[in-house]
Amino acid sequence: AQSVTQPDIHITVSEGASLELRCNYSYGATPYLFWYVQSPGQGLQLLLKYFSGDTLVQGIKGFEAEFKRSQSSFNLRKPSVHWSDAAEYFCAVGPMEYGNKLVFGAGTILRVKS
Amino acid sequence: GAVVSQHPSWVICKSGTSVKIECRSLDFQATTMFWYRQFPKQSLMLMATSNEGSKATYEQGVEKDKFLINHASLTLSTLTVTSAHPEDSSFYICSAPRAAHKSTEAFFGQGTRLTVV
Repeated sequence: AQSVTQPDIHITVSEGASLELRCNYSYGATPYLFWYVQSPGQGLQLLLKYFSGDTLVQGIKGFEAEFKRSQSSFNLRKPSVHWSDAAEYFCAVGPMEYGNKLVFGAGTILRVKS
Repeated sequence: GAVVSQHPSWVICKSGTSVKIECRSLDFQATTMFWYRQFPKQSLMLMATSNEGSKATYEQGVEKDKFLINHASLTLSTLTVTSAHPEDSSFYICSAPRAAHKSTEAFFGQGTRLTVV
């Protein structure tokens, strides 16, 4: 079965601290992996994606993610969090051949304290 | 700028009425679009795949007569919530895949918050 697990529902970090959001997936085929960010009342913005090649991918806003096939993980990281990063983050996986029939994780709400 | 536009951003309607939500790809053609629904404090769940020129494909458990999907052109898909009830209140969001170098990327609309009173 296809699934994405984001074990942390809420995470609170201090501004300037590092961040790691966890994502594990279960997928029968070669996965396309994505991280999206959703601000309150807004749609989804793509932070980064992984299809193949270098397992450490760089995204927008200073985010990066590392694909670890052996652990079926695709964790999102940022070295120094800014208050504007407070939002909800979704990890998603999709099939190569369709491109976009995505399965989403439940999301992680990030709170940033000053 | 946005490449997928969704309209309206929010709508309030009375029980029993129907509401139409539009999803447009702005600078590319999309033969396929996807409609998702997000319940409060939950993730997005795929409702259906909208196919230009053919019937939509609905996910298990989604009522096709309740959620009518029409892919009118290569740049427009509409979702009509028929005979809306308060339990249909939700955040609806569409996405359209656009081919990029060696991959296909999903672009999402800004979403529509539907409140049925």
